[in-house]
Amino acid sequence: DAGVIQSPRHEVTEMGQEVTLRCKPISGHNSLFWYRQTMMRGLELLIYFNNNVPIDDSGMPEDRFSAKMPNASFSTLKIQPSEPRDSAVYFCASSLNRGGARFGTDTQYFGPGTRLTVL
Amino acid sequence: AQSVTQLGSHVSVSEGALVLLRCNYSSSVPPYLFWYVQYPNQGLQLLLKYTTGATLVKGINGFEAEFKKSETSFHLTKPSAHMSDAAEYFCAVTAADRGSTLGRLYFGRGTQLTVWP
Repeated sequence: DAGVIQSPRHEVTEMGQEVTLRCKPISGHNSLFWYRQTMMRGLELLIYFNNNVPIDDSGMPEDRFSAKMPNASFSTLKIQPSEPRDSAVYFCASSLNRGGARFGTDTQYFGPGTRLTVL
Repeated sequence: AQSVTQLGSHVSVSEGALVLLRCNYSSSVPPYLFWYVQYPNQGLQLLLKYTTGATLVKGINGFEAEFKKSETSFHLTKPSAHMSDAAEYFCAVTAADRGSTLGRLYFGRGTQLTVWP
């Protein structure tokens, strides 16, 4: 299994530009998570999807951020326009949510992350 | 609501010494607890998790953790540190009930482990 795939691994852009981060979850997984990691704030959950439907986007910083999951094998996180304070490592993770008696026990598998630098 | 506190953002030990990383949680419902490890320039990977049953949980690379409900703790230990254990360690908790927090993990701020030769 290839694991969670993220692209690009590194992105350097200028303030005001649009940035799109991509994620391919592990095949068969039905939950997908986007996290942001910074020194100041640690690991923050931005949004997560279950069966391609956004469940909780309360962590999305503001309207400049948007996320989509058009199908079970692909998700994007878009920042438009980008700002220097958006510089961080963005992780995508996926899990198999079995629900029922096993609810909440699911292991999340993380991708290698995208290091975003906004100048 | 759930939350996690990791005591000590940095821990240093000598190779061969005991590793103890502390984690306390707050949860209004029975928790599921996790330890993840992050090596430099990599994503997080699961070390171990507690769901139900035995409160002493064994994970990969010789790590283990004990769920103590009375102390609301889930400390991570390893009897003998190895240089390869140097990494950042994250404790996390998730809710054991349904609702809008379906599948959501709440992470601590992390503890950076340094192992000296």
